[in-house]
Amino acid sequence: KQEVTQIPAALSVPEGENLVLNCSFTDSAIYNLQWFRQDPGKGLTSLLLIQSSQREQTSGRLNASLDKSSGRSTLYIAASQPGDSATYLCAPRNTGFQKLVFGTGTRLLVSP
Amino acid sequence: KAGVTQTPRYLIKTRGQQVTLSCSPISGHRSVSWYQQTPGQGLQFLFEYFSETQRNKGNFPGRFSGRQFSNSRSEMNVSTLELGDSALYLCASSLNGGTYSSYNEQFFGPGTRLTVL
Repeated sequence: KQEVTQIPAALSVPEGENLVLNCSFTDSAIYNLQWFRQDPGKGLTSLLLIQSSQREQTSGRLNASLDKSSGRSTLYIAASQPGDSATYLCAPRNTGFQKLVFGTGTRLLVSP
Repeated sequence: KAGVTQTPRYLIKTRGQQVTLSCSPISGHRSVSWYQQTPGQGLQFLFEYFSETQRNKGNFPGRFSGRQFSNSRSEMNVSTLELGDSALYLCASSLNGGTYSSYNEQFFGPGTRLTVL
């Protein structure tokens, strides 16, 4: 059974800092892994999808890395902004179907 | 291109009642998944439908059911509501172009907030 852990659970930083959010998973036999953000009371917004064969994926100020063999993924946020404040969730996919297993998330607060 | 839509956005029901939630996927997407989000349990997978067939099911009681129509729209039903069913119910869609394809990226709707009194 896949279990996902995200560290830290919460993070508060001043604007402009570079951030690293960590995700670890117990079953490394994954097809891909997605990173999402969730604003309070809202749905999830997909940030990055990284395939099992990839090491990195980039979108703007975001960079996700994947080390499948060690069961780890990292989301790097460059030059953080107050608009980045949200909960960030990682979700690996093990099966051939669409079931995602979510971590408990990292709650990020970026202050001006 | 319109995103995933869910209706209604908010629902208040009483224990014992039943409820039906609706999800319209992104145009062209054939896979629809449902998730329950609660403060205590986080995000948990309910089930996935593809081409009107349930392909995968999470660990929820039989009171939770769903279906998918030929236009890929999906509904989920919860019967005999309990207080613990209060949650944000999220629907996600994907193209599902293959096991390793980027078409497996999932896109979520805004959710339906269900409150059971």
